[in-house]
Amino acid sequence: RKEVEQDPGPFNVPEGATVAFNCTYSNSASQSFFWYRQDCRKEPKLLMSVYSSGNEDGRFTAQLNRASQYISLLIRDSKLSDSATYLCVVNNPTDYKLSFGAGTTVTVRA
Amino acid sequence: GAVVSQHPSWVICKSGTSVKIECRSLDFQATTMFWYRQFPKQSLMLMATSNEGSKATYEQGVEKDKFLINHASLTLSTLTVTSAHPEDSSFYICSASAPGQGTVYGYTFGSGTRLTVV
Repeated sequence: RKEVEQDPGPFNVPEGATVAFNCTYSNSASQSFFWYRQDCRKEPKLLMSVYSSGNEDGRFTAQLNRASQYISLLIRDSKLSDSATYLCVVNNPTDYKLSFGAGTTVTVRA
Repeated sequence: GAVVSQHPSWVICKSGTSVKIECRSLDFQATTMFWYRQFPKQSLMLMATSNEGSKATYEQGVEKDKFLINHASLTLSTLTVTSAHPEDSSFYICSASAPGQGTVYGYTFGSGTRLTVV
């Protein structure tokens, strides 16, 4: 089983729509979770950390469900500039290595 | 915030030659640098963990004699792809964080190096 699994999508949504997707992780001891954004042929950039109580950053909301070992990301009022691949990233608590999901591709159309 | 500078951004080399990629942490001391490889439409795969002043730790299946990693200072780590072959063509990215910050703020990535071996 992969350490981090994501729905690859693609999610093709119109501007202004809400899009949400999840990722699951296998290591129940994981403590740190992140969503990164990666544009085509570029490096990943941190979008937001995911906290136990859930957190919001503008139009982006992240949730963590430890019991079911999944993380979600919701994007409200989608913009064309939100088109990217979103990577779910989990930090291994013992060696601090990051495990990456394969990414969920989101395309926002005009 | 933490900045990691990586270069070159892209390189084309002939099969059999070696290529060196550098990553520098510009405003913090990176005791640990991670090196990743990403093939098209795939996720980042950790190749090795580079610790300043000691030998790198390679992930299973990564040839340490082919991918030479040096981390001679707290701000510089290098990856040398030796005797490169077309199958080594990929996107190579380094990442690091300020000590103790990675678990909270994530890791900063270099801008990546797109290697094409012809």
